[in-house]
Amino acid sequence: QQQVKQSPQSLIVQKGGISIINCAYENTAFDYFPWYQQFPGKGPALLIAIRPDVSEKKEGRFTISFNKSAKQFSLHIMDSQPGDSATYFCAASENYGGATNKLIFGTGTLLAVQP
Amino acid sequence: KAGVTQTPRYLIKTRGQQVTLSCSPISGHRSVSWYQQTPGQGLQFLFEYFSETQRNKGNFPGRFSGRQFSNSRSEMNVSTLELGDSALYLCASSLVAGAGYEQYFGPGTRLTVT
Repeated sequence: QQQVKQSPQSLIVQKGGISIINCAYENTAFDYFPWYQQFPGKGPALLIAIRPDVSEKKEGRFTISFNKSAKQFSLHIMDSQPGDSATYFCAASENYGGATNKLIFGTGTLLAVQP
Repeated sequence: KAGVTQTPRYLIKTRGQQVTLSCSPISGHRSVSWYQQTPGQGLQFLFEYFSETQRNKGNFPGRFSGRQFSNSRSEMNVSTLELGDSALYLCASSLVAGAGYEQYFGPGTRLTVT
């Protein structure tokens, strides 16, 4: 019940295309869903996050779509660029009465944007 | 504002030894979490500290421990190192504890156990 399942494992997109990464969860107590971007040799960087009371959140070229009934959420990268080539992780957190920041991560998606 | 800093960045140890890793959170952040990243297991939560108290602990053996100081800086210790402990150890800081507060990761410490 603690798992966050992420797909696909890897993704190749042409420059200018849309990259879509999907995640699914079982624990209905999860109430915070961030996405992180990680480049080789670097720590994960927070991209965008969403709470379950919102169905969509957009920041620049990055959009999170959230489907509470299906327990799924996805990251869309519009107009993908070679500089977006990185590993993307979805994550989820359960607010134990505000006591913890513990994140459960998906397995990651390696995105390659071809020029 | 400076980001999360971790020292050392790289470390090579021998089986059976112990190691201490250090993390300095973003100024003003009081919550520090530690994660282990490996190719096989991905990113896994180790433990979390807030106001010098451990708030949560992941499913790791007792060889893994940590602490937080009054200035919010944190250390984690691994005793009796095993080959499987080779990983990237990441520290993340947040303003306070609680889901929904943004966590910012440091560059990590790459530990190699031989």
